[in-house]
Amino acid sequence: GNSVTQMEGPVTLSEEAFLTINCTYTATGYPSLFWYVQYPGEGLQLLLKATKADDKGSNKGFEATYRKETTSFHLEKGSVQVSDSAVYFCALPSSGSARQLTFGSGTQLTVLP
Amino acid sequence: EAGVVQSPRYKIIEKKQPVAFWCNPISGHNTLYWYLQNLGQGPELLIRYENEEAVDDSQLPKDRFSAERLKGVDSTLKIQPAELGDSAVYLCASSAGETQYFGPGTRLLVL
Repeated sequence: GNSVTQMEGPVTLSEEAFLTINCTYTATGYPSLFWYVQYPGEGLQLLLKATKADDKGSNKGFEATYRKETTSFHLEKGSVQVSDSAVYFCALPSSGSARQLTFGSGTQLTVLP
Repeated sequence: EAGVVQSPRYKIIEKKQPVAFWCNPISGHNTLYWYLQNLGQGPELLIRYENEEAVDDSQLPKDRFSAERLKGVDSTLKIQPAELGDSAVYLCASSAGETQYFGPGTRLLVL
């Protein structure tokens, strides 16, 4: 089945710093790719997604580009805020069915004021 | 639009006791998922329902875990008996298409 490898954390940044969280995948075909975010004490929320190669997903200042050449979907933000402190998960469908997701192990981000 | 509702939010039990978690998905979402999330890890699927039918329960430890989704709406996940290693967060999610929407989870502590 499909799998995802995510940059290990934790990551600690100062406010307004540039963020990159790496995610690479192994998949059959070109499935949709997702980034989910989990704030403390909450469930996962969809942050952004890309449905085909070269697509760029974006939301709340975060961006990720679906790159089939490097099988990557790295998450970036130009200027992080304290409120961005959370755990970030890269995910993709487990197999041909889009109904089941496989998640990375998560990257804990802490942004200091 | 109301999100996925789960209860209880927290549960502390002694080992060998039974426990049940409840999930109410987003209205109109036919697909419902139960995930297990251990500390510091990503969610892992336990079971997936399409309406009232369990279509993927290969990761559900059937000797102690059971689930049901009567009438294709609400769902209950049960553990009996609970073991120390079951301490984790149990997440419910629902979807009508490709995107899954998660509830806040139930944090279980088995003593």
